[in-house]
Amino acid sequence: TQLLEQSPQFLSIQEGENLTVYCNSSSVFSSLQWYRQEPGEGPVLLVTVVTGGEVKKLKRLTFQFGDARKDSSLHITAAQPGDTGLYLCAGVDRNNNDMRFGAGTRLTVKP
Amino acid sequence: GAVVSQHPSWVICKSGTSVKIECRSLDFQATTMFWYRQFPKQSLMLMATSNEGSKATYEQGVEKDKFLINHASLTLSTLTVTSAHPEDSSFYICSARALGQGPNTEAFFGQGTRLTVV
Repeated sequence: TQLLEQSPQFLSIQEGENLTVYCNSSSVFSSLQWYRQEPGEGPVLLVTVVTGGEVKKLKRLTFQFGDARKDSSLHITAAQPGDTGLYLCAGVDRNNNDMRFGAGTRLTVKP
Repeated sequence: GAVVSQHPSWVICKSGTSVKIECRSLDFQATTMFWYRQFPKQSLMLMATSNEGSKATYEQGVEKDKFLINHASLTLSTLTVTSAHPEDSSFYICSARALGQGPNTEAFFGQGTRLTVV
């Protein structure tokens, strides 16, 4: 059972378009992390958000943590084919420190 | 960033045999390592949490006698799939969190092991 609801599950867009991926939960997390995974490889960390309301930017990627620390979003501006991949959000359970993943968003950016 | 090495990257084994997968933190000590399983085009499902020097904590529905986890040192955790069956074929990934760091510390992932049971 996934504690994190991630949407959309699939997204196919043209190069240059903007997109937003959402990660929602009824649970409060001590932190939330976003990863990107290429086929056949392990996930690579993009960002960690800790404070409610926190916003972090990584070039064309903007990450936001909800005020109540239950949800997060990833916004990509002017997407490029190199952004193609599986994006995963993961929440750290504040009670046992387990890290659990959302279902993932498979992004395809067409040239 | 920190490096987690997982070995082997892929393995093919016969049904009924056992397979051991190693997860090593190369440049940091890890009190906690996590083992995940990932089916094609799906997300990572937590199987168990491995703490150095103690028994692993398994998620509901994961057979502890089938998926043996050993975390004998601060840099090595192993997952052994015993009496493997074709339905155990999957992508197994480990991750490690550094010693002395809080829960908000990032976890680093191995490159994964693709297990195929024939």
